[in-house]
Amino acid sequence: DTGVSQNPRHKITKRGQNVTFRCDPISEHNRLYWYRQTLGQGPEFLTYFQNEAQLEKSRLLSDRFSAERPKGSFSTLEIQRTEQGDSAMYLCASSLAGGTGANVLTFGAGSRLTVL
Amino acid sequence: SQQGEEDPQALSIQEGENATMNCSYKTSINNLQWYRQNSGRGLVHLILIRSNEREKHSGRLRVTLDTSKKSSSLLITASRAADTASYFCATDALGYSTLTFGKGTMLLVSP
Repeated sequence: DTGVSQNPRHKITKRGQNVTFRCDPISEHNRLYWYRQTLGQGPEFLTYFQNEAQLEKSRLLSDRFSAERPKGSFSTLEIQRTEQGDSAMYLCASSLAGGTGANVLTFGAGSRLTVL
Repeated sequence: SQQGEEDPQALSIQEGENATMNCSYKTSINNLQWYRQNSGRGLVHLILIRSNEREKHSGRLRVTLDTSKKSSSLLITASRAADTASYFCATDALGYSTLTFGKGTMLLVSP
């Protein structure tokens, strides 16, 4: 297993365009998280899945954002009608949660979005 | 919103010196974790301390937790240039399934 994989690593788009990011988690992990990080800030939670169910969404996640995790494997995060304020690093993480184990996240390298 | 607040925001030291970073948080937790992020990359988990633990060691890392003060500290001993990175604390709060990260401490270790 090569860890958490995110694509594309960089995306430059014009305001108003749609963009989609993909995340392939560690195969044994049942939870998948999306975070957003802007310069000089820590990651901010957007949404998470347990298997294929989307269990929580942040208030930060406007209706222009949608995430899916079909079949509980990879996930996509789509941003419609992008705005300059959407420029950020989008981080995906996965974990194996359940039982008495702690929820430790394994992060991907991130997808950096620049909206012109 | 970000629950944790790291202090200092930035720290510059020489190789061989120790680096101490602090984290304060607001709610009751299951555990507190520290992550490292090299420039422009994803985060890497360093160490976890549970709410019923007061101190934990891993290699050159020492983390303490004071739940009465809702604070934690991360000590990196005998620092190396390769330790240059941003360090984030993350809280696993009671009743939640997500980690909440602080704003981070940027550590610069000069040779």
